Amino acid sequence: DGGITQSPKYLFRKEGQNVTLSCEQNLNHDAMYWYRQDPGQGLRLIYYSQIVNDFQKGDIAEGYSVSREKKESFPLTVTSAQKNPTAFYLCASSMGSEETQYFGPGTRLLVL
Amino acid sequence: GQQLNQSPQSMFIQEGEDVSMNCTSSSIFNTWLWYKQDPGEGPVLLIALYKAGELTSNGRLTAQFGITRKDSFLNISASIPSDVGIYFCAGQGPAGNQFYFGTGTSLTVIP
Repeated sequence: DGGITQSPKYLFRKEGQNVTLSCEQNLNHDAMYWYRQDPGQGLRLIYYSQIVNDFQKGDIAEGYSVSREKKESFPLTVTSAQKNPTAFYLCASSMGSEETQYFGPGTRLLVL
Repeated sequence: GQQLNQSPQSMFIQEGEDVSMNCTSSSIFNTWLWYKQDPGEGPVLLIALYKAGELTSNGRLTAQFGITRKDSFLNISASIPSDVGIYFCAGQGPAGNQFYFGTGTSLTVIP
């Protein structure tokens, strides 16, 4: 089955901790994206990667970091520098940066 | 970052009614996408539009790429309870490196 998977579904973070959200795709897509969704707002772009070993900051990159060591994987780390991390995080991928994006099921991050 | 104006913000309709929602931008877009999101899930692509004036259907859903390239419309005919969810528009400009998303239209269908 082809698709995008995100894990875990729910994640709890203590104050001052870094946490990493997983995103994997087996669609052979070159481009991958991370979005943050807050209630009543549209999706906001955190980081995107158009090709392996390359990534670009989106609109709200502060307090986040990513890596793209493999084509199928694009993990997102929420660092302790992110002061308001509680949100729903969505990963997406597309064949190329101008192509339609397909989304994973999301990870909900809660700060304790 | 740019955000799209999507309206209405929410809708409560009777089962069987038709639904219309729209999305506007201050910039020209080359691509418009419409997604549906169920609670706690990722958005699912409904319709993709690539040409100004294009009208595309997917079952009971019909979407149009506005002729000015600054807006798009989504219509749902004969709504059913499983249409409940949040509908998002997304647009991509000529630079082609990022999609911008609307704030969503929350649809409730009353049986």
